[in-house]
Amino acid sequence: NAGVTQTPKFQVLKTGQSMTLQCAQDMNHNSMYWYRQDPGMGLRLIYYSASEGTTDKGEVPNGYNVSRLNKREFSLRLESAAPSQTSVYFCASSEGGIRTDTQYFGPGTRLTVL
Amino acid sequence: GQSLEQPSEVTAVEGAIVQINCTYQTSGFYGLSWYQQHDGGAPTFLSYNALDGLEETGRFSSFLSRSDSYGYLLLQELQMKDSASYFCAVFNRDDKIIFGKGTRLHILP
Repeated sequence: NAGVTQTPKFQVLKTGQSMTLQCAQDMNHNSMYWYRQDPGMGLRLIYYSASEGTTDKGEVPNGYNVSRLNKREFSLRLESAAPSQTSVYFCASSEGGIRTDTQYFGPGTRLTVL
Repeated sequence: GQSLEQPSEVTAVEGAIVQINCTYQTSGFYGLSWYQQHDGGAPTFLSYNALDGLEETGRFSSFLSRSDSYGYLLLQELQMKDSASYFCAVFNRDDKIIFGKGTRLHILP
């Protein structure tokens, strides 16, 4: 099992460009999450999906959109990138809901917006 | 609002025991988790407490006191590979999750 995979690993964008971060899990988990982590900071939840077809906002959703394409895949889109979105983005999944279960993290995408 | 406090850095000696504290403020508290993150790596799950008391998993233990809004992670028989950042995360009944800013653990030989 690959667990949680993310693409790309690194990305540099110019202000105003758009891009989609891809995430997939092969553990048949119901819930998936997108976090960002800024230097010296903890993780902040951007969006999560408790099941296929549902998405909910987290702590910092502004400037992002998500799609739960199917049970395996959860993508994060930046429509018009800003320097404040420079961060490391982690995708995670869990078998149960956000409150009760272990979350398994992908390796992260390091995004720089110039 | 919600908030979490944990020390920014802790230093300990190889083979010793270290405790990392986490105090929280949240409404509708549901549970507290601990994650380990090595430099450049992804967070990995260590433990979860929803009820008061101690949970033990090998060299790692985690404690929760709901009445004191306080938890800690205890690492025993420290090894150099335990050098990492440790995050506490709090969940509440409204499906909100917040992570602390992390405690960087330095281990001296």
